Amino acid sequence: DVKVTQSSRYLVKRTGEKVFLECVQDMDHENMFWYRQDPGLGLRLIYFSYDVKMKEKGDIPEGYSVSREKKERFSLILESASTNQTSMYLCASSPGGAGANVLTFGAGSRLTVL
Amino acid sequence: GDSVTQMEGPVTLSEEAFLTINCTYTATGYPSLFWYVQYPGEGLQLLLKATKADDKGSNKGFEATYRKETTSFHLEKGSVQVSDSAVYFCALRGGDSNYQLIWGAGTKLIIKP
Repeated sequence: DVKVTQSSRYLVKRTGEKVFLECVQDMDHENMFWYRQDPGLGLRLIYFSYDVKMKEKGDIPEGYSVSREKKERFSLILESASTNQTSMYLCASSPGGAGANVLTFGAGSRLTVL
Repeated sequence: GDSVTQMEGPVTLSEEAFLTINCTYTATGYPSLFWYVQYPGEGLQLLLKATKADDKGSNKGFEATYRKETTSFHLEKGSVQVSDSAVYFCALRGGDSNYQLIWGAGTKLIIKP
């Protein structure tokens, strides 16, 4: 069964802390994505990557960075967490080519910044 | 720019009722359209899709028809079950976008026994 695994389901951090959210997929997918999900706003794309060491900004990249050193792993980094980054973070992956829009999602990481 | 508008929720129905969740879109070119579902405590998963006008996507008793004339992709099911309780997201991929999906806000569906 294909899987996208997010390392932490729930995190509580303090303002100013550096936060790492890890995501691993076992499907050999080319594309990986980080979204945040907020009530009434749907999913907003933070960053995506279509290849190892490649990254592209999404709609709301400010305050975030990403790292993709290996094909299966895509990390989201909050350099200095702020309370407005309290949210549900969703990682997803998809194959290249015609299947690129069929995303497989992880279960999410709910981050609370105090 | 491209956008997706879904009916606001929550939508509350009794078991075996008929379901419609409205989705309309604005896009240039010829978008592909998707419905994803998020069950409680889980990640989103693809429910169905349609890639051209008049296509009908279907899965698990759900259906949606790509209507270019009304720019709509409404989700329907003839008889809902308690297990259908979830959040439903409509999304599109614009004709000139390789990677980005444009998402609706999501509609929470609650089915009561």
